[in-house]
Amino acid sequence: DTEVTQTPKHLVMGMTNKKSLKCEQHMGHRAMYWYKQKAKKPPELMFVYSYEKLSINESVPSRFSPECPNSSLLNLHLHALQPEDSALYLCASSQAGVLSGNTIYFGEGSWLTVV
Amino acid sequence: QKEVEQNSGPLSVPEGAIASLNCTYSDRVSQSFFWYRQYSGKSPELIMSIYSNGDKEDGRFTAQLNKASQYVSLLIRDSQPSDSATYLCAVMNSGAGSYQLTFGKGTKLSVIP
Repeated sequence: DTEVTQTPKHLVMGMTNKKSLKCEQHMGHRAMYWYKQKAKKPPELMFVYSYEKLSINESVPSRFSPECPNSSLLNLHLHALQPEDSALYLCASSQAGVLSGNTIYFGEGSWLTVV
Repeated sequence: QKEVEQNSGPLSVPEGAIASLNCTYSDRVSQSFFWYRQYSGKSPELIMSIYSNGDKEDGRFTAQLNKASQYVSLLIRDSQPSDSATYLCAVMNSGAGSYQLTFGKGTKLSVIP
């Protein structure tokens, strides 16, 4: 079982709605990630937080707004999304500051449908 | 641009056979390599990690790494229908003070009963 928990598992939202995806891990990891995955494609990195600070933003549109309130939690705030944003959103975590021997663990994902 | 290349398949093998999945990567300084299994509609599940040249075995799975050739592979022995999934090769790279995975496009494996 994954130790990265994502909620909700499924979300349907309108283009004018504001919603949030939530992620929690209790492995003591200090790096957390958001990935987006479209059907039949590999996951694509969106954001990386390291020690609760945003370290990588892969040119993601501002309608996606990440937040890392503490070392265990990661949120993704959604506003004014487009239907093409419908995808599986994956949260992941890993140790920070370590490359050799490090591993990234994924949560079960949140399926987002924008109507 | 850091790239990870995989044969997209599909790869079909009979039940009980060995399935061989291959991956090459472009960043010569990469140190950490992973195979994730992803069932349709599910998130990627880590099945193997390898950090040193050579072979690493875990049950029916063997990962092989050759850093000089920038090549990593996954062998699945005694393949089972439950192994039918997409297998994602991933390489961890550092940048901007943190780490990230670069994925290949995945190889779809079908194990035929």
